[in-house]
Amino acid sequence: DIVLTQSPGTLSLSPGERATLSCRASQSISAGYLAWYQQKPGQAPRLLIYAASSRPTGIPDRFSGRGSGTDFTLTISRLEPEDFAVYFCQQYGNSVTFGGGTKVDI
Amino acid sequence: QVQLVQSGADVKKPGASVKVSCKASGYTFTGYYIHWVRQAPGQRLEWMGRINPNRGGTVYAQKFQGRVTMTSDTSINTAYMDLSRLTLDDTAVYYCARVEDSGVVLHWGQGTLVTVSS
Repeated sequence: DIVLTQSPGTLSLSPGERATLSCRASQSISAGYLAWYQQKPGQAPRLLIYAASSRPTGIPDRFSGRGSGTDFTLTISRLEPEDFAVYFCQQYGNSVTFGGGTKVDI
Repeated sequence: QVQLVQSGADVKKPGASVKVSCKASGYTFTGYYIHWVRQAPGQRLEWMGRINPNRGGTVYAQKFQGRVTMTSDTSINTAYMDLSRLTLDDTAVYYCARVEDSGVVLHWGQGTLVTVSS
């Protein structure tokens, strides 16, 4: 299975700041099949980015993704209060696996 | 709108089995695969497998082979996940999720907490 390693484990920032989250894969992810999700306590995950850099309808453009191969990044350009949450990456090119998550807190 | 409504929380003893249901509405049930994903307390999401409700075909994660059975009943638009020989490590929130054509998950069930306790 492809192992996804996310860093940092926790990111302490303030509203208005920029957040950069990393997801590194143990082997190349085919066709950029990498997604990012946001999860808040007691809630199911919410899809933010798919195919490494595409945003579903309704996701604000302050969320952006980039990367290919084994290195991927999620950027939140200006943190809003509702963005403080846990973020997971997921690969779906070879079975399905998830990263360990990055907590973005104040 | 698309909805996936799961069965309620359950408590089981070690060695028992649990069956979680996932009732779909708002779309053609047979048109999309269903993933089952679990999340133990403080742990990462863990993919358990998927089912094609149209023909019942399944793919299970190696870790759960022999212990998990995923089924569907197209007459009532419901998917099921049955996990046997439960241990304390199976305590988790179990989610069903609809797989989009792109391969990602846009719609999730609300989650079902399964607690394994002696």
